[in-house]
Amino acid sequence: AQSVAQPEDQVNVAEGNPLTVKCTYSVSGNPYLFWYVQYPNRGLQFLLKYITGDNLVKGSYGFEAEFNKSQTSFHLKKPSALVSDSALYFCAVRGTGTASKLTFGTGTRLQVTL
Amino acid sequence: GAVVSQHPSWVICKSGTSVKIECRSLDFQATTMFWYRQFPKQSLMLMATSNEGSKATYEQGVEKDKFLINHASLTLSTLTVTSAHPEDSSFYICSAKDGGFHGYTFGSGTRLTVV
Repeated sequence: AQSVAQPEDQVNVAEGNPLTVKCTYSVSGNPYLFWYVQYPNRGLQFLLKYITGDNLVKGSYGFEAEFNKSQTSFHLKKPSALVSDSALYFCAVRGTGTASKLTFGTGTRLQVTL
Repeated sequence: GAVVSQHPSWVICKSGTSVKIECRSLDFQATTMFWYRQFPKQSLMLMATSNEGSKATYEQGVEKDKFLINHASLTLSTLTVTSAHPEDSSFYICSAKDGGFHGYTFGSGTRLTVV
């Protein structure tokens, strides 16, 4: 069975500071990893994904994530946070050879303050 | 890019009635769509996987007779909540496999309130 852990319910950061939202995963085989952002009463918006290749993945709105196979992690990062980044962030994983189902973490609320 | 349209955005219905939610892929064909349910401040729970032209595959614990899924075309899947009760009130989100563009594209969600 595949699983995702987001250990922090909420992350608080001041605008202009770097941010990190943590994610670790468990899956059979090579993972497909995703980050999504959700604003209130909205669906999920795609930020970035890792399928294969370079461990550092760059995505939308200045976000990036680093795939670390030995630590089974895929932390989301941004060098300089904006107040508009405040939202709910979900990490998701899908294993190869599965029925294409995504498994989501519990989500991390990012609060960026002035 | 890949776009998934979900309607309605919100709906209020009386207990005992049925509600249909539509999920359309606008610029790609989606052979596989997924339906999720999200409770307040919680993650997305996969309810079922919908494959065009075949029966949906429901996750354990999801009542298939209560949550009817139809995927009759390559661009449309519907979720019907039958005989709705207040405990069915939730945020429902669909997604579609988008042929590799992002992998999965999500609809904007439907807020269902049963009174």
